Amino acid sequence: AQSVTQPDIHITVSEGASLELRCNYSYGATPYLFWYVQSPGQGLQLLLKYFSGDTLVQGIKGFEAEFKRSQSSFNLRKPSVHWSDAAEYFCAVGASSGSARQLTFGSGTQLTVLP
Amino acid sequence: SQTIHQWPATLVQPVGSPLSLECTVEGTSNPNLYWYRQAAGRGLQLLFYSVGIGQISSEVPQNLSASRPQDRQFILSSKKLLLSDSGFYLCAWGDSDYQPQHFGDGTRLSIL
Repeated sequence: AQSVTQPDIHITVSEGASLELRCNYSYGATPYLFWYVQSPGQGLQLLLKYFSGDTLVQGIKGFEAEFKRSQSSFNLRKPSVHWSDAAEYFCAVGASSGSARQLTFGSGTQLTVLP
Repeated sequence: SQTIHQWPATLVQPVGSPLSLECTVEGTSNPNLYWYRQAAGRGLQLLFYSVGIGQISSEVPQNLSASRPQDRQFILSSKKLLLSDSGFYLCAWGDSDYQPQHFGDGTRLSIL
């Protein structure tokens, strides 16, 4: 079974600073990897996903993530954070086979952006 | 384009009362459908998923049930709510080959 660890429960950065959110996964084969963002009281919005190919994935809102098989990681990055990026971020891993490909989510990282 | 609708947005129910949350998807056919629950300060827990009409798989034993009466309709129900059923419920859909990628806006359920 797959699992996901987001080691940072809460991260605080200043507006304009760079950001990296960590995600480590456990899965026996090449996984499908996702990053979602959730604003308070809202559903989840897909930021980016990795299925195969180029290990550096570009997403919406200026985010990118890099799949590193050797480290079992899929860290999310943004070069310059905006105040509107304050939200909770979830990493998820999905099986690359099976009839109804389910996602396993990490427990999330809450991002606070200081002015 | 595809859209997903989930209602109601908020719900306050007494312990022991029934529950019905509805989710519909538009703009796609034969989607995989999912119900997740998100407890306060925690990640998402998969409750049910469905690969077709009348096909429901349960991930967590509980007093909740799900039904899929139509291709793009997914319903979460309970006959008697417990205090522990409080949480944020999210419906999601995905293409047949891929995981859930699109989520509804969620229902905030409070049990009194």
